[in-house]
Amino acid sequence: YVLTQPPSVSVAPGRTAKITCGGDNIVRETVQWYQHKRGQAPVVVIYYDTDRPSGIPERFSGANSGNTATLTISRVEAGDEADYYCQVWDSRTEGQVFGGGTKLIVL
Amino acid sequence: QLTLKESGPALVKPTQTLTLTCTFSGFALTSSGVAVGWIRQPPGKALEWLALISWDDEEFYNPSLKNRLTIAKDTSKNQVILTVTNMDPVDTATYYCARNTGTPYYMDVWGTGTSVTVSS
Repeated sequence: YVLTQPPSVSVAPGRTAKITCGGDNIVRETVQWYQHKRGQAPVVVIYYDTDRPSGIPERFSGANSGNTATLTISRVEAGDEADYYCQVWDSRTEGQVFGGGTKLIVL
Repeated sequence: QLTLKESGPALVKPTQTLTLTCTFSGFALTSSGVAVGWIRQPPGKALEWLALISWDDEEFYNPSLKNRLTIAKDTSKNQVILTVTNMDPVDTATYYCARNTGTPYYMDVWGTGTSVTVSS
């Protein structure tokens, strides 16, 4: 199962960033999003398409429809600059799959 | 507080076997619905899932690496061990372990990773 993400997304502070994750009928899967800052452990920011772990700001939200899942970050801050990865559990191969990652650049 | 920490050699030679240990605290790998997995990230590249072992001893592997990977757990020591045979320079990466939970599994807590270089 292949997940396709744009290599980078650029956004000005205070604006909204949308990072997409494409996959064949991805709506049938549950999608997670991980934030990965250089030298740090990745952090899950969205799980099961739309759920947000405790401690993750409400500015982070997720959606999943058709062949595309989307991570939306509202009121972007400089501290949001990181690599973001989508991930699903592939029931066909019984394993986890990551997208190629998207670098969020805060201008 | 849930923590995981990876350990292992920083340098291995080509064709050698790599053994990595994930030592965790704050949870038990005997608890229903819990698993621990391994993920790696080569320099400048994306995350790549490797393997996972569940609370009830189910093992799951990346199909493209399955013949080189073995995952095992030692619940008495709160450890999960990953072995990778026939190491190659392309296996140079930061290796992470992560707790998994939920149905289906997802990674809710990660370690900070350990860097492994494959070079003669």
